[in-house]
Amino acid sequence: SQTIHQWPATLVQPVGSPLSLECTVEGTSNPNLYWYRQAAGRGLQLLFYSVGIGQISSEVPQNLSASRPQDRQFILSSKKLLLSDSGFYLCAWNQDLAREQYFGPGTRLTVT
Amino acid sequence: GESVGLHLPTLSVQEGDNSIINCAYSNSASDYFIWYKQESGKGPQFIIDIRSNMDKRQGQRVTVLLNKTVKHLSLQIAATQPGDSAVYFCAECTTGNQFYFGTGTSLTVIP
Repeated sequence: SQTIHQWPATLVQPVGSPLSLECTVEGTSNPNLYWYRQAAGRGLQLLFYSVGIGQISSEVPQNLSASRPQDRQFILSSKKLLLSDSGFYLCAWNQDLAREQYFGPGTRLTVT
Repeated sequence: GESVGLHLPTLSVQEGDNSIINCAYSNSASDYFIWYKQESGKGPQFIIDIRSNMDKRQGQRVTVLLNKTVKHLSLQIAATQPGDSAVYFCAECTTGNQFYFGTGTSLTVIP
């Protein structure tokens, strides 16, 4: 069966510090991968998606970046965090031509 | 761009009653709609989906209705239970595998 992992589960970082969130998927190959951010009381905002290794599409211009160094690994990064980067970050995957997205447990990021 | 919004941000229902959660969408070209349930501190979980060529689909205790004329989607939960308390999101999927999520409706079940 397929599983999706995210870490860390929670993170508190000062403004201006770097960020690296990792997401890995097991039990499938060549998945579409997604990074979402969810602010408190808000919906899911798509940040990045990837249809293959090294292929990243950005939905929202910001100080975040994403990379996909391996087929089932998706990384969200920042060189310098802003207060507005605080939120709940969710990784998701699905198979090409499929519809349902499967979400990871999320990372709660607080920038202080 | 596309937008998916919900009519009501919060909904409270008595245990055992039926719940109806509504969603409006704007992209008439979307070919697929999904309802997700998100419990506090967790990622969203798939509940049920419906294709744009359908107007109704039933699952276990849940029914999704799609009205393309008015671009409206609803999720009906029968015999609501305390475990149904969560935030419910609708999402539309456009061609190109793009997903757009609404703000969410917080459902509270009163015992």
